Amino acid sequence: GAGVSQTPSNKVTEKGKYVELRCDPISGHTALYWYRQSLGQGPEFLIYFQGTGAADDSGLPNDRFFAVRPEGSVSTLKIQRTERGDSAVYLCASSLEILSYNEQFFGPGTRLTVL
Amino acid sequence: QQQVKQSPQSLIVQKGGISIINCAYENTAFDYFPWYQQFPGKGPALLIAIRPDVSEKKEGRFTISFNKSAKQFSLHIMDSQPGDSATYFCAADTGGFKTIFGAGTRLFVKA
Repeated sequence: GAGVSQTPSNKVTEKGKYVELRCDPISGHTALYWYRQSLGQGPEFLIYFQGTGAADDSGLPNDRFFAVRPEGSVSTLKIQRTERGDSAVYLCASSLEILSYNEQFFGPGTRLTVL
Repeated sequence: QQQVKQSPQSLIVQKGGISIINCAYENTAFDYFPWYQQFPGKGPALLIAIRPDVSEKKEGRFTISFNKSAKQFSLHIMDSQPGDSATYFCAADTGGFKTIFGAGTRLFVKA
């Protein structure tokens, strides 16, 4: 079956621009996570959704970052006024349910480069 | 604040040898400790995980050893193969939701 997909795979933008990154989770997965992975580092938690609501957004670095999941499936991570420091791979993951210890399945990521 | 410290940063092992990666954590509220494997251009994939109520878990060639009192855990890869060459991340979380990852270990297995 299809895994987690993310589009685009690569995004190059200029400093100050707005970008949207899309995540399509595995069908039927109710939990969805966003992470940011800088070069040579482990993934850093950004936000977690259960259904349509953001259950924990404590990892979002500042108010330029926002994520939505309006119908409880596809999610979009939005970054306003991009900065060079936002350059990283943005990973999305999904898991079956809110129950503890469910395996998170990761997508391949979107590589964002801010010039 | 780095809550999960991982070592070494990189590791070179001969084919057939044992690869050992170590992690230490600070937050005693952590109750789930997964290990992930990541290949270039791919997202991390769960390899094996352990709860703190056991001291060891083995799945095939992969074994997690867990020391709750020392707040340390490690991954052992037995009979390491070139196909195991990847980056490995230890992680920790509470309830499986907000996962904190280590910085990663780049493993290279020489044929």
